[in-house]
Amino acid sequence: EVQLVQSGAEVKEPGESLKISCEGSGYMFSTYWIAWVRQMPGERLEWMGIIYPGDSDTRYSPSFEGQVTISADKSINTAYLQWSGLKASDTAMYFCARQKTTGAYRGDSFDIWGQGTMVTVSS
Amino acid sequence: EIVMTQSPATLSVSPGERVTLSCRASQRVSSNLAWYQQRPGQAPSLLIYGASTRATGVPVRFSGSGSGTEFTLTISSLQSEDFAVYYCQQYNNWPPRYTFGQGTKLEIK
Repeated sequence: EVQLVQSGAEVKEPGESLKISCEGSGYMFSTYWIAWVRQMPGERLEWMGIIYPGDSDTRYSPSFEGQVTISADKSINTAYLQWSGLKASDTAMYFCARQKTTGAYRGDSFDIWGQGTMVTVSS
Repeated sequence: EIVMTQSPATLSVSPGERVTLSCRASQRVSSNLAWYQQRPGQAPSLLIYGASTRATGVPVRFSGSGSGTEFTLTISSLQSEDFAVYYCQQYNNWPPRYTFGQGTKLEIK
């Protein structure tokens, strides 16, 4: 079965760092782009960035560039999203999602989604 | 940035009814348009890509149409499991940019 499994919910204080993960299985992880998508409570989905695990080529949304870091370790089929200094406004559900097409970048839909990781930032 | 606008925000319908959801792009996106369904407490799931192609396993009662700036998702006969929030998304080729609509919530009348 093709799936993405994300790490569990996190509760952090403002200023702390955090790294959440997304592990792929059932397919050739290194050849599909993986995106991160934010969903704040009651809000629309927002694309944060995308990475190609095969060579770690990464592209960010202008809204999130400099605010988060996306990385991947193809040897363990895992992508990551990390923050170096969390803010209360980072409280949200975060999803990873696989882009439908393989190989060289071409815009496409997201056909497989992780179950989501809820991040709560509160003092 | 391409802005996606969905209408209506909420639609109250009865099981068995036919419904049409709308999505408008602020710029032409060709057929680079997808629809997702999100049930409460779950991740989104892909319904339609390329504006009109059903994803694997999606029932035939779901259909998509449109190109350019105007798109629709039609559900021919609503089933109980279809009451959810639906998002449209545009995806262009370069630079990578993906934007979603604000969603349309289907609720039981």
